[in-house]
Amino acid sequence: QVQLQESGPGLVKPSGTLSLTCAVSGGYISTSNWWNWVRQPPGKGLEWIGEVYHTGSTNYNPSLRSRVTIFVDKSKNQFSLNLNSVTAADTAVYYCARWASYGGNPLDYWGQGALVTVSS
Amino acid sequence: QSVLTQPPSVSGAPGQRVTISCTGSRSNIGAGYDVHWYQRLPGTAPKLLIYGNSNRPSGVPDRFSGSKSGTSASLAITGLQAEDEAEYHCQSYDSSLGSSRVFGTGTKVTVL
Repeated sequence: QVQLQESGPGLVKPSGTLSLTCAVSGGYISTSNWWNWVRQPPGKGLEWIGEVYHTGSTNYNPSLRSRVTIFVDKSKNQFSLNLNSVTAADTAVYYCARWASYGGNPLDYWGQGALVTVSS
Repeated sequence: QSVLTQPPSVSGAPGQRVTISCTGSRSNIGAGYDVHWYQRLPGTAPKLLIYGNSNRPSGVPDRFSGSKSGTSASLAITGLQAEDEAEYHCQSYDSSLGSSRVFGTGTKVTVL
């Protein structure tokens, strides 16, 4: 059973960089899966941020592409998210999730989520 | 931001049938991309409920069903139960955004 766990600061100052890491257990990150970040601002719907493959290839949400970097650390079996120049609008629960290699590629395993607040 | 539109809320009494629509366009659902549905119970992470338009992962009760037609998709819950009170989100891909994943606006289901 694959398990994902987000970690990182819960408070980030405006104009700073939001950094989160997702530790993968119960499976290897070097498999035929893409590893995703999704967020949900308070009172709003889910928003896809981007994804990374174990080779380092990435895809990003066009609306966030200029501020986002997602990268993988195979030695630690984890992947990470950096979002720079944050504002209050980036306050959200951030989830990491695994892309499934079947059935149109849904996100089949999710972390519990990490609340990140952008405030001075 | 969301390119897939869902009703903000639906409600029903226990035992009733409710449906949630997910309306897209020719660049996403209408382009043939699969639709997936996620359930988010209060205080928990989203859980995959329906994948590939109409398939249920192991462990999901058969009172949840999904369908897709044209530029829209639907999630139906028959025999509504108290534990079904949650947020439901549809998800697909959009070719106008570089094959980016897109989510719906989300629907809160309330069991009366």
